[in-house]
Amino acid sequence: AQTVTQSQPEMSVQEAETVTLSCTYDTSESDYYLFWYKQPPSRQMILVIRQEAYKQQNATENRFSVNFQKAAKSFSLKISDSQLGDAAMYFCAYRSAGGWSNYQLIWGAGTKLIIKP
Amino acid sequence: GAVVSQHPSWVICKSGTSVKIECRSLDFQATTMFWYRQFPKQSLMLMATSNEGSKATYEQGVEKDKFLINHASLTLSTLTVTSAHPEDSSFYICSARGTGWADQPQHFGDGTRLSIL
Repeated sequence: AQTVTQSQPEMSVQEAETVTLSCTYDTSESDYYLFWYKQPPSRQMILVIRQEAYKQQNATENRFSVNFQKAAKSFSLKISDSQLGDAAMYFCAYRSAGGWSNYQLIWGAGTKLIIKP
Repeated sequence: GAVVSQHPSWVICKSGTSVKIECRSLDFQATTMFWYRQFPKQSLMLMATSNEGSKATYEQGVEKDKFLINHASLTLSTLTVTSAHPEDSSFYICSARGTGWADQPQHFGDGTRLSIL
């Protein structure tokens, strides 16, 4: 069975600086998707970024980028120029590419990101 | 973008009553919907997966007679918490996935905060 591990329960960063959130996963599959979701205090789940395992190029979305290391099964999220609005819980998630799993997401425990003004 | 509407956002009711939560995909057809439960400061816990027109598949430990899920159309799924008790108080989130390619992400509702007195 697949697992997702986020080893940092909480991280803090000074506003305008860069922070990296860690995520590792375990799978025997070769084709899958990885996601980072943000959950602010409003508790709405917001998709931050998505990575397809067969793509070697790391995904980027404005200030958000990932470092995807397939062999190491690592999928870290880098947030550049941190803003107060980035304060939230961040969840890493895994999904098989095949439909056999009903496209269920496997979730990490989450990392609480605190932005210091 | 794909929008999922979840209603109500907050409900308070007396112990022993049944509560229905609706999850609607507003601008796409949701072949698969997911229901999650989230305890404070924890990750999302998948309760069940439902495919339109089929019975829901419940995760281990989730009482299907307690948490009734109906996915009768491609745009609506409902979760009914029957004979609710204080221990059922929690944050419930639905998500929906549309038809199409395997890379279709899940789109989340804004969640329902359920408080049982």
